[in-house]
Amino acid sequence: KAGVTQTPRYLIKTRGQQVTLSCSPISGHRSVSWYQQTPGQGLQFLFEYFSETQRNKGNFPGRFSGRQFSNSRSEMNVSTLELGDSALYLCASSLVGQGTGELFFGEGSRLTVL
Amino acid sequence: GENVEQHPSTLSVQEGDSAVIKCTYSDSASNYFPWYKQELGKGPQLIIDIRSNVGEKKDQRIAVTLNKTAKHFSLHITETQPEDSAVYFCAASRGTGFQKLVFGTGTRLLVSP
Repeated sequence: KAGVTQTPRYLIKTRGQQVTLSCSPISGHRSVSWYQQTPGQGLQFLFEYFSETQRNKGNFPGRFSGRQFSNSRSEMNVSTLELGDSALYLCASSLVGQGTGELFFGEGSRLTVL
Repeated sequence: GENVEQHPSTLSVQEGDSAVIKCTYSDSASNYFPWYKQELGKGPQLIIDIRSNVGEKKDQRIAVTLNKTAKHFSLHITETQPEDSAVYFCAASRGTGFQKLVFGTGTRLLVSP
């Protein structure tokens, strides 16, 4: 069974640009969450999508947005990039309503903003 | 908002020793407490979790204890092996939103042969 796939794995952008990251969840998983990981702030929740609807949102500015498609694949977008947006962006999928809370993480997309 | 504190930030042990990592949470409504292991270049992976209606849970060499009154929970690894070396994160969430986890700051565990 394939795991969570994130693309691209690495990317470099400059300040002011925008970026789109993609996540393909494990087959059958309908919930997709996004986390930002940095050395200073650790792992922080960005948002969660289920059945194409955002169910939860973390404390990030509106420059961070996401969406989920009918096949459960998800994308997140960061506009007007700032140096502080440099981070590892992790996507996680999970089965909802199965009595388990386990998140299955991808290997992440490492974003560097210059 | 919810906050999870984790200690220590680094932990070095000899192979075969036990390792203990402790976390404290602030939101009394939290009722799900997972532990994740992150190896270099990989995403975090769940190693064990516990719900608030349980005080202790074991899985082979790994155990987690929960003290709801004190709002703290701990990870215990016995008979450590070099492959246990990684960064460990505790987390907490409210029951209705398992996917919204608040993570601790992580513990880098180094197991020396």
